[in-house]
Amino acid sequence: GAVVSQHPSWVICKSGTSVKIECRSLDFQATTMFWYRQFPKQSLMLMATSNEGSKATYEQGVEKDKFLINHASLTLSTLTVTSAHPEDSSFYICSARLSNQPQHFGDGTRLSIL
Amino acid sequence: SQKIEQNSEALNIQEGKTATLTCNYTNYSPAYLQWYRQDPGRGPVFLLLIRENEKEKRKERLKVTFDTTLKQSLFHITASQPADSATYLCALDNNAGNMLTFGGGTRLMVKP
Repeated sequence: GAVVSQHPSWVICKSGTSVKIECRSLDFQATTMFWYRQFPKQSLMLMATSNEGSKATYEQGVEKDKFLINHASLTLSTLTVTSAHPEDSSFYICSARLSNQPQHFGDGTRLSIL
Repeated sequence: SQKIEQNSEALNIQEGKTATLTCNYTNYSPAYLQWYRQDPGRGPVFLLLIRENEKEKRKERLKVTFDTTLKQSLFHITASQPADSATYLCALDNNAGNMLTFGGGTRLMVKP
């Protein structure tokens, strides 16, 4: 149980392109979903927290207009990196949780901007 | 400022031995602490959660201790196997119970 699916797993695109990443909880309804970014050999850094039907809460230093988060249902959240540039290249990971249960993570999306 | 420290150097041990990983924190009073495993190019996988009023928790070959006085958690893998090789992350909650802060992780290498 507690499976989180993230899609796509790998994206390569040109600078200026907008990229959408999906995060789905497959076998449970997630009250909260989280988006993280991880640079090589570093730990996960929380970008934003989203609850279904409400606006995401962004961490300090994360531009909300750059990283658009939509949490339309209890099983789906999307992260759109708008007008992506090479410095946005990273490993993006989502997680989902139900109430006070531990977070369960997707397998991440490797984003490479040329 | 709040800080979570894990040994950034890789831990190399022989198969069959017990691996012990350390997580230290400062300026934090977490209600609970979690350990995750992360393989290269994959998302973290939840392993164990221990609450502030629990001293020790076990799951199969895994054991976690939580010392709120020392502000330290130890993560043990007994009878280690090469398949246990991965990066292990500790994470602390934010006391509101809905947000985690991760340590930098320790890479474990178990040699056959």
